[in-house]
Amino acid sequence: DGGITQSPKYLFRKEGQNVTLSCEQNLNHDAMYWYRQDPGQGLRLIYYSQIVNDFQKGDIAEGYSVSREKKESFPLTVTSAQKNPTAFYLCASSVRPGQGTSSYNEQFFGPGTRLTVL
Amino acid sequence: AQSVTQLGSHVSVSEGALVLLRCNYSSSVPPYLFWYVQYPNQGLQLLLKYTTGATLVKGINGFEAEFKKSETSFHLTKPSAHMSDAAEYFCAVTWDTGRRALTFGSGTRLQVQP
Repeated sequence: DGGITQSPKYLFRKEGQNVTLSCEQNLNHDAMYWYRQDPGQGLRLIYYSQIVNDFQKGDIAEGYSVSREKKESFPLTVTSAQKNPTAFYLCASSVRPGQGTSSYNEQFFGPGTRLTVL
Repeated sequence: AQSVTQLGSHVSVSEGALVLLRCNYSSSVPPYLFWYVQYPNQGLQLLLKYTTGATLVKGINGFEAEFKKSETSFHLTKPSAHMSDAAEYFCAVTWDTGRRALTFGSGTRLQVQP
């Protein structure tokens, strides 16, 4: 079955540690996204990538880093510089804008990773 | 700045009653519009989308939404609520820009009372 997987489902981090969240998709999508979800605030964009070896900062990129070495994978690293990292993190993917049967294609979401800083 | 507003962070209805979840956007440029549903500790699932064409859009699970350009709205409705509809609902928009990432509303939690 095609889809997006995120691991781990739950992650605990000590202050001062970097952690990496995994996101893998087998939908053959070019574009991938990372969102952060906090209660009552909806989802906010951290980083996005429209093609391999290229990515752009979103609205709240400070304290985060990403890589896009493979089409299928878009890992997110939460660094110690992120002041308040406790949140639910969601990865998404879509057909690259401009491709497909419509000018915009919806994003498909993974199940999320809940990160807690101890 | 372009934004999305969902009126009412919590909505409670009785089983069998009409569901109405409100979404308004602020932009002079017509966006692409989406409604997603999220069950506890899960990712988001697309309910329906409006990109072009017919302004009344039907989605999964009996939901529908109507794009009203004059009111800059995209409210989500369902004629008869079911217990399984209890979840959080997010309205999201994007515009025809290079980024194509979604801008989300803050969400509405729907409770369905027996």
